[in-house]
Amino acid sequence: GEDVEQSLFLSVREGDSSVINCTYTDSSSTYLYWYKQEPGAGLQLLTYIFSNMDMKQDQRLTVLLNKKDKHLSLRIADTQTGDSAIYFCAESPVGYNKLIFGAGTRLAVHP
Amino acid sequence: DAGVIQSPRHEVTEMGQEVTLRCKPISGHNSLFWYRQTMMRGLELLIYFNNNVPIDDSGMPEDRFSAKMPNASFSTLKIQPSEPRDSAVYFCASSFRRLPLGEQYFGPGTRLTVT
Repeated sequence: GEDVEQSLFLSVREGDSSVINCTYTDSSSTYLYWYKQEPGAGLQLLTYIFSNMDMKQDQRLTVLLNKKDKHLSLRIADTQTGDSAIYFCAESPVGYNKLIFGAGTRLAVHP
Repeated sequence: DAGVIQSPRHEVTEMGQEVTLRCKPISGHNSLFWYRQTMMRGLELLIYFNNNVPIDDSGMPEDRFSAKMPNASFSTLKIQPSEPRDSAVYFCASSFRRLPLGEQYFGPGTRLTVT
């Protein structure tokens, strides 16, 4: 079945790295996504990775994909207070025009 | 580009009343999604449309909920009658069905409170 799981909460100190983890179930997903939701706003696509890649780096963001274990992670380097938000992992099973979202990980950044 | 537009942004209503939420997708997008977000249940997909046709409404909670998309630039989500447990933030999202990348653009949401 379709299921995406994430830990619900992560607290880090400003300047440290944050790592948010996600596991998914559908190995047919061509792309895997990370969305960010800031308070009072809708979700916004943060980054994505193609399923034939192991890693994607975009400035402070690093996405790692382990297809064998169906594990996806998002690393934020030098975490800032502006990174405080809820981060959603999502997969898009082949043949479906919809995204399967995880429950979201609330990232709290403290000084 | 104005992005996905939702109205109203906030709605407070009494139990039993009809509620209509509105969404204008991004011009040129041909898929539209309605989600509900609560603390207890997280983000739930209620229904989605491709080319104005409902494709999957398995997430619609019950018959009190209905959604329409009369044209490519407008969709409504109606709750009749509303109940306190319907209180949530309702998001509309749109995308261009250009497989395999299915980036969805979310609106700002409608916060619904049913008393």
